[in-house]
Amino acid sequence: QLQLQESGPGLVKPSETLSLTCTVFDGSISSGNYYWAWIRQPPGKGLEWIGSFYSGGSAYPSPSLKSRVNILGDTSKNQFSLTLTSVTAADTALYYCARGGRGLRDAGRFDYWGQGTRVTVSS
Amino acid sequence: DIQMTQSPSSLYVSVGDRVTITCRASQTIGTYVNWYQQEPGKVPKLLIYGASNLQSGVPSRFSGSGSGTDFTLTISSLQPEDFATYYCQQSYTTLMFTFGQGTKLEIK
Repeated sequence: QLQLQESGPGLVKPSETLSLTCTVFDGSISSGNYYWAWIRQPPGKGLEWIGSFYSGGSAYPSPSLKSRVNILGDTSKNQFSLTLTSVTAADTALYYCARGGRGLRDAGRFDYWGQGTRVTVSS
Repeated sequence: DIQMTQSPSSLYVSVGDRVTITCRASQTIGTYVNWYQQEPGKVPKLLIYGASNLQSGVPSRFSGSGSGTDFTLTISSLQPEDFATYYCQQSYTTLMFTFGQGTKLEIK
């Protein structure tokens, strides 16, 4: 069964860069034409899509975060990563990685999720 | 951006109730709606995709309907494990996805 696991620092200072990694187990990020995504959830709030990655190397950040987000893949490690620059308290959230569907039309169908990693932005 | 508006934001219900949650899109989106369940402290789980398709392993008491701008998630007979928050999500706009604000089911 496919599993995803997020990792990264739990505390980031304001104005610095948040970096997270998602490792995929029992499945390959480079096969099956799947899209892979980052989604976050601020404390007590709803879900926000941050961006998606396609194993061919393309990244698709949310327009609202585009200037601060980069998503990259490392097929040799079966991982994909998120960097978010110039963080503020508003970026404090539970960050999830997830698998989207096959192909562009199903890319937003998130069927497997990691457990999430909590990130707090504070000095 | 396409906005997804769920109603109600919270709903007080009892075990055995038939529950209906509504989601309205700010523009027509065909059937590109997915529904997720998030139990307290847990990871979101895909229930319905393409407005009406039941995800594998999801109990048949869950169903989805709708097209265009108005969508519905129905739980035919609420079970204790169904007390959770439910989110709709549009996947119409290619690689620009948005979620509704959530509907929380609470015990009456």
